[in-house]
Amino acid sequence: QSALTQPPSASGSPGQSVTISCTGTSSDVGAHNYVSWYQQHPGKAPKLMISELSKRPSGVPDRFSGSKSGNTASLTVSGLQAEDEADYYCSSFAGSNNLVFGGGTKLTVL
Amino acid sequence: EVQLVESGGGLVQPGGSLRLSCAASGFTFSKHWMTWVRQAPGKGLEWVANIKEDGSEKNYVDSVKGRFTISRDNAKNSLYLQVNSLRAEDTAVYYCARGTVSAPRSAFDVWGQGTMVTVSS
Repeated sequence: QSALTQPPSASGSPGQSVTISCTGTSSDVGAHNYVSWYQQHPGKAPKLMISELSKRPSGVPDRFSGSKSGNTASLTVSGLQAEDEADYYCSSFAGSNNLVFGGGTKLTVL
Repeated sequence: EVQLVESGGGLVQPGGSLRLSCAASGFTFSKHWMTWVRQAPGKGLEWVANIKEDGSEKNYVDSVKGRFTISRDNAKNSLYLQVNSLRAEDTAVYYCARGTVSAPRSAFDVWGQGTMVTVSS
C-alpha cells in the first residue's frame, strides 16, 4: 500500500488560513470517510485533530476543519496561531484492514 | 487520567528480538481496538499492526508480516508487540495508540510517549 501524498511544507502568517492536501486513490481516500489528521510537535506523540474526514475531537479548536473532494482530502487551519506550527499527517483506512499515512507536511507560521 | 505507557525498546542486533509493551490506564481497555504505529528517525508515521477488542482479529502491514506479532492481555490492561528477525529498517520510535469508538481502526485519540527500537550491529 503506497503512502498518501502530502506537500512537504506549507506556511502562512498569523491570522491567515492555510490548507494542506492529502491525495490518495479510489481505494483509500476516495472510497470512504475514514480519513484522519494528526498534529505532531517535535519530540512529541501525534495528536488527533480530525477523524472521519471532518469530526473534531473534544478540545480541538474549531479553527481546524477537514473536507474531501474525490481522492483528495484537505485540512484547513483558519486564524493561524504560533502554536499551530507543527508537522501534520493524514491517514486513511485502505481496505484489507490496513491503514496508510501521508508523508507529512511541515506547517510554518511566518 | 487516560494514559498509555510503552516500554521494552532498546538497542538490538540485526536478526534479534524484542517484546514491546504498552500499559493502559484510565479507560476500559477491553472496549477498544489498539494499534501500533512507528516513526523512523526524521521520517513520517507508519501503521504497523492493530488488534480487535477481544484479540480475535489482528492485522499487519506487509513489511512486518511473519516477523511481528501483536497481542493483548485485557486482564492486565496491556498491549504487546513481539518483534523478531529485526532489520535496520525497523529502527523507529514505536507508539501504541487507542482507536476511537466510532472509527476504531482508523482514528487514534490516545497515544503513548513511544519507545525507541534501534537495530544496529
